[in-house]
Amino acid sequence: IQMTQSPSSLSAFVGDRVTITCRASQGITNYLGWYQQKAGKAPKLLIYAISNLQSGVPSRFSGSGSGTDFTLTINSLQAEDFATYYCQQDYEYPVTFGQGTKLEI
Amino acid sequence: EVQLVESGGGLVRPGGCVRLSCAASGFSLSDHYVDWVRQAPRRGLEWVGRIRNKANSFTTEYAAAVQGRFTISSDTSKNSVYLQMNGLKIEDTAVYFCTRNSKYGGSDYYYMDVWGKGTMVTVSS
Repeated sequence: IQMTQSPSSLSAFVGDRVTITCRASQGITNYLGWYQQKAGKAPKLLIYAISNLQSGVPSRFSGSGSGTDFTLTINSLQAEDFATYYCQQDYEYPVTFGQGTKLEI
Repeated sequence: EVQLVESGGGLVRPGGCVRLSCAASGFSLSDHYVDWVRQAPRRGLEWVGRIRNKANSFTTEYAAAVQGRFTISSDTSKNSVYLQMNGLKIEDTAVYFCTRNSKYGGSDYYYMDVWGKGTMVTVSS
């Protein structure tokens, strides 16, 4: 299953609301997660099963969608949110990630 | 504290082999699926493979790019998972992360909720 994110890169300001989309090449029910990766660090789980916020993740992060189209929204961007974001499907092997969306200041 | 620590990376010649380790603390790996995910320099994340938990007989799945060359195994006495990498190619150069996977409700969906910091494998002559 191919996961396609858009945009590949995005510039925004602190305080902005941003949306990243992820499209699966076939239906994946709710087997979708979002991960944040900062430069030189391991990825971190933000959201699982489309819209469930991982413990400790700020509530400004939210996820939505269904079927093949999914969205990660970040409300009121903070400086620490500038990173690369990946969607990932676990519906079918091989597990696949989107190509990433780099969020820049 | 729940933690994963990878080790074993380094410089390897093409065609060579290396074994990566993933040591868990704060939880039992036997209860969880574990994945290996890699990231080539300046590239995105690529899933390498999975070992299921004890309840699912520690069975494995692999990406096509590594099938037949890489093997994932588990040692419950050491609470560790291993990635044996044989027949290494230059394109296997990457940081290798292990992840703990947790199950969502009663479904077959597993999400990667704990990640190690990764270990770098460089394949070069």
